[in-house]
Amino acid sequence: EADIYQTPRYLVIGTGKKITLECSQTMGHDKMYWYQQDPGMELHLIHYSYGVNSTEKGDLSSESTVSRIRTEHFPLTLESARPSHTSQYLCASSESGQPNQPQHFGDGTRLSIL
Amino acid sequence: KNQVEQSPQSLIILEGKNCTLQCNYTVSPFSNLRWYKQDTGRGPVSLTIMTFSENTKSNGRYTATLDADTKQSSLHITASQLSDSASYICVVSDRGSTLGRLYFGRGTQLTVWP
Repeated sequence: EADIYQTPRYLVIGTGKKITLECSQTMGHDKMYWYQQDPGMELHLIHYSYGVNSTEKGDLSSESTVSRIRTEHFPLTLESARPSHTSQYLCASSESGQPNQPQHFGDGTRLSIL
Repeated sequence: KNQVEQSPQSLIILEGKNCTLQCNYTVSPFSNLRWYKQDTGRGPVSLTIMTFSENTKSNGRYTATLDADTKQSSLHITASQLSDSASYICVVSDRGSTLGRLYFGRGTQLTVWP
């Protein structure tokens, strides 16, 4: 079992609220990722990080932002939530320096914006 | 365009039966192909990885094959169990970037009935 944790698991909140989805890993992995997943659809990369103070946007445009102040922590923030942000958000991490390393996923946060 | 296509979209089988899931990809240049299992409400977990030179790899009752010439992979599940009910996602990595860009299929939803 991978040691990567996401909180909250479920969040139902009103439009316009600021929300932060937490992701922490205890494996010391340098690389971390955020994906968005809708039912029956493929995962889309929205943010990634190579290490502390490194953040990049992924393939899918997202109004969210991320930060990487500590190796183990990679939170995602939505300043003003909208119904279009309703989705499942998955965090992942992987080792760097070794080829073909798998990404280890958290169990996700299911976000519903009313 | 780099794509990963999986079939069937969904599959129902009886406990104890075998099944085969298919993955076709157009990703180039190819680095590796990984099969993930995603239980409902959980994050994906890596089952097996196939690199260019590998044709077959087993992980317990799961056997993955790769034909790099035709760009096809399959995941064969033997003697299915109720716990095999999940979404099985094919993920292909390219060699074209430092990140090792991942291309996700939409998954095959497998249901095993008693």
